[in-house]
Amino acid sequence: EVQLVESGGGLVQPGRSLKLSCAASGFTFSNYYMAWVRQAPKKGLEWVATISTSGSRTYYPDSVKGRFTISRDNAKSSLYLQMNSLKSEDTATYYCARRAASLDYWGQGVMVTVSS
Amino acid sequence: DIQMTQSPSFLSASVGERVTLSCKASQNINKYLDWYQQKLGEAPKLLIYNTNNLHTGIPSRFSGSGSGTDYTLTISSLQPEDVATYFCLQRNSWYTFGAGTKLELK
Repeated sequence: EVQLVESGGGLVQPGRSLKLSCAASGFTFSNYYMAWVRQAPKKGLEWVATISTSGSRTYYPDSVKGRFTISRDNAKSSLYLQMNSLKSEDTATYYCARRAASLDYWGQGVMVTVSS
Repeated sequence: DIQMTQSPSFLSASVGERVTLSCKASQNINKYLDWYQQKLGEAPKLLIYNTNNLHTGIPSRFSGSGSGTDYTLTISSLQPEDVATYFCLQRNSWYTFGAGTKLELK
């Protein structure tokens, strides 16, 4: 069974940093691109980052480019999202997702609140 | 950037009713269109990918169709457990989600 479990969320002040983790199991992690998607409270979904199987290629929308960094450790079957210079508009639930034909499996999400 | 417009935003339907949800892209997305179901407090769950391919374990009452800029999710016979918000996602150029259709029972 594919499982993705996010951790590392919490309350953080504007301008500070936070690192999210996603532990994967039930599939060969190194064979799949992975992604982060977020959902602001009572809002829609927004793609945040994608990473290739080896980690050599990463992709971001303009809204987070230069502030967020996606990475992975295939030996640990883990995905990460380093978030710097956080803004109030980054407040959201962050989901990690496996990318196959689509974003086919998602974790349960972790809440990040950016507030002073 | 490709914009995705879902309609209606809200839909109320009866058990057993046929339900159709729509998603319109701002440009041709070459059938790279997926549908997700999100129940309250849960993560989104993939229903259909590439317009009309049913994801593993998804009941056959769900189906998808479309091409170009216009896509549809159909539930052939609405069940109580289908109450949820449904999102479309285009993957033709990066990723853009629609704003969602909230489906409730009448």
